[in-house]
This record gives sequence, C-alpha cells and structure tokens, in this order.
Amino acid sequence: AQKITQTQPGMFVQEKEAVTLDCTYDTSDPSYGLFWYKQPSSGEMIFLIYQGSYDQQNATEGRYSLNFQKARKSANLVISASQLGDSAMYFCAMREGRAGSYQLTFGKGTKLSVIP
Amino acid sequence: GAVVSQHPSWVICKSGTSVKIECRSLDFQATTMFWYRQFPKQSLMLMATSNEGSKATYEQGVEKDKFLINHASLTLSTLTVTSAHPEDSSFYICSARDPTGSGNTIYFGEGSWLTVV
Repeated sequence: AQKITQTQPGMFVQEKEAVTLDCTYDTSDPSYGLFWYKQPSSGEMIFLIYQGSYDQQNATEGRYSLNFQKARKSANLVISASQLGDSAMYFCAMREGRAGSYQLTFGKGTKLSVIP
Repeated sequence: GAVVSQHPSWVICKSGTSVKIECRSLDFQATTMFWYRQFPKQSLMLMATSNEGSKATYEQGVEKDKFLINHASLTLSTLTVTSAHPEDSSFYICSARDPTGSGNTIYFGEGSWLTVV
C-alpha cells in the first residue's frame, strides 16, 4: 500500500484564487511528520510547511496552510491568493518515527498550473 | 540561502565512465544524509541513507556497488555512479537534517541532473 497518496496529477487555478492540493497518508506509527515541498522546473525542493502528528493546531506559513485531519489521515495543502510563480510540482511527504530516521517518503506529486 | 549544496548541478558523461556528485551541509554538521533519485515526471525515491563514518544503508533494489556512497566528514557525502549507463540518467538529490533543529529541519540540495550518453 502506498504510504503517501496524492490523487490529483494536475490542477489548474485562477490567479488570486485559493487552491487545495490533496494528500492522504498511511502509517501505524503514532509519531510522524508531514511535509509539503514545491519543486519548480529547476528541480530544487523548496520546503513549504510541516505538520507534526502531535501538533494540536494546523500549520500555517504565509499563504500556505495545512488542513490536517488526523482521523482521516489527510494533510491537504491550501494555497491562498495563488500567484503565477506558484506554478510547479507539489509533493507531500512523510517521515515516520519520533527520532532517528529522517528519510522521507514522497507522494507522486501534483502539478499546479496558475492561470493568469 | 542554501544550507545544503550539491555539485555539480548538471553533468553529462559517457557510458561506462563514473561520475561523482557531492552533497555538502553548509551551516551544520550532518551525521546522516539521504540520497534520492527522481526520474522524469515521477516522484523522489530514496536510494540510500549515508551515515558519517560508516557504511551507507541502501534501499531494496539499489545496487551498492554501482552507487557508491561515501560520508567521510560531517559536512560532506558523495554519491559516485560507477560504470554509468543511459538508464542511470536521472535527477539525483540529497537531503540532510540539521540535528540542532526540530523534526522539520530537513534540507534538500539543489539536485544534480545526470545525463549518460
């Protein structure tokens, strides 16, 4: 079974609108962390936002917020007021375990295209 | 600024030759670094965990003799693709965790595009 599932291969959003990118995860470990990364065509992985499994509140970072629904095992990324520069691939990733391993498991990604 | 630097960003090599990619942590000491491979339009797949001063831990299906990893210092890990073939052409990217930070301080290098001709 896939550990990270991103069901939207591609998404379109109008500039200045909000968009939600879906991510569901599967783990039996009570301690885990969820990440969202942006990957432009240059290839670099740009960290956007992080949510720990024990965090009580949903994470927010500027225009990015994470809609964390633990019971549903979902960690959707919400981008508000989309900009043309937001067009890129977006990856959801998970690390499992409280300590030690910081290797990440990635979803297949969602290609976001912002339309002017 | 970047806290993990990768070099080279682009490399083209002939089939049968070897190529080395470096991953450096600039502002912190990393006892563990990770190497990922990404084929076009696909996700990142973990290849191996690079451990400072000891042998790397390879993921299932990754040939350790083909992808040599050396982590000789706390700020440098190298990935050497030996006897490269065109099917090794891919995007290789490393990551490292800042041990002084929280659980989300995982930084990625800029990545290296390898083309084997």
